[in-house]
Amino acid sequence: DIQMTQSPSAMSASVGDRVTITCRASQGISNHLAWYQRRPGKVPKRLIYDASNLESGAPSRFSGSGSGTEFTLTISSLQPEDFATYYCLQHNIYPRTFGQGTKVEIK
Amino acid sequence: EVQLVESGGGLVQPGGSLRLSCDASGFTFSDHNMDWVRQAPGKGLEWVGRTRDKTNSYTTEYAASVKGRFTISRDDSKNSLYLQMNSLKTEDTALYYCVGLIDDIWGQGTMVTVSS
Repeated sequence: DIQMTQSPSAMSASVGDRVTITCRASQGISNHLAWYQRRPGKVPKRLIYDASNLESGAPSRFSGSGSGTEFTLTISSLQPEDFATYYCLQHNIYPRTFGQGTKVEIK
Repeated sequence: EVQLVESGGGLVQPGGSLRLSCDASGFTFSDHNMDWVRQAPGKGLEWVGRTRDKTNSYTTEYAASVKGRFTISRDDSKNSLYLQMNSLKTEDTALYYCVGLIDDIWGQGTMVTVSS
């Protein structure tokens, strides 16, 4: 199975901060990676697909990059509604695997 | 409105069985591959498995942690997805989501608790 390792596991940030989350795959997955946001009490919502494509309706402050084994999710200016847990998901091969999550908390 | 509604969760003893159902509406269910994803209390998301559509012969894929114990099936005539869970373990305790991952369609989840 492909292991997806996210870093950091948790972070504290302030409104307006630039935030970067990294996801590393244990083997190459091309650009077959998605990023999800999970707010408390809500179902996960996809923000980015195919590593760098912004999901329709997702705010433009979210961006994704990377290919192969290293990927990043960037929030250019953190907003109050962005405090949540973020997950990467590889969909290159089966079984699909999620990263362990990155919890973004208010500083 | 696109909707997925899960049912069938509950409390079951270790070694027991449970069948989850998911009713779909608002989209052409038969055209979609469908997944189950779970989240254990205090843990992250875990992909459980997938059933492909009729075009792809309804073939299935599973996570190693459930392979041989869980079976995913579907009934396109009823717009329904199923997860048959056998030989349940305490570590299967989780909120189970019915998901159309390709189109990012999620149900609200149904809770399964495995405990004696």
